[in-house]
Amino acid sequence: DSGVTQTPKHLITATGQRVTLRCSPRSGDLSVYWYQQSLDQGLQFLIQYYNGEERAKGNILERFSAQQFPDLHSELNLSSLELGDSALYFCASSLGWGSGNTIYFGEGSWLTVV
Amino acid sequence: EDQVTQSPEALRLQEGESSSLNCSYTVSGLRGLFWYRQDPGKGPEFLFTLYSAGEEKEKERLKATLTKKESFLHITAPKPEDSATYLCGGADKLIFGTGTRLQVFP
Repeated sequence: DSGVTQTPKHLITATGQRVTLRCSPRSGDLSVYWYQQSLDQGLQFLIQYYNGEERAKGNILERFSAQQFPDLHSELNLSSLELGDSALYFCASSLGWGSGNTIYFGEGSWLTVV
Repeated sequence: EDQVTQSPEALRLQEGESSSLNCSYTVSGLRGLFWYRQDPGKGPEFLFTLYSAGEEKEKERLKATLTKKESFLHITAPKPEDSATYLCGGADKLIFGTGTRLQVFP
């Protein structure tokens, strides 16, 4: 158990809908990361927050947004969902930011868009 | 463009048959390279971070090494429980390769 908690574990929704994925980082960690993993794309970095502020941005679509709250939990909002958004979404956390910080991953949220 | 490439995509080994996985990178100013293990349907589990050419780290049957252009994950006398996908990535760039899917048969 990495200590990173993600909810829900599984989610099935229809195209065009909006969903919110939730993440609680490990106790004491200030950085939160979101990744998308699909069969054909591998693990794709979406976005990173550090202590409530956006720190780095990857291949995140405009239909997706995220935030980190004062209690350090984070939410990833996915809107106008398309079939291609079906994937495993991981949240991860680390104490700080930068290469010296080990990143710990949660168990993921399976999103199926039908 | 920053890129991490892993090979082979898949590897089947007999129990006890040692081998190596490769991770090559074209990342400008790379500061640290990760190795993670991922079981099906689970989150990646941290194995190692390597920071400088020549550095080596070991954990049980796994040893990771780093040169200026690539990293290797050596698996010595693997067991079936080592079956997993092994991912490498840039520690400060937050990018990962697509992984090597390792299967070890008894």
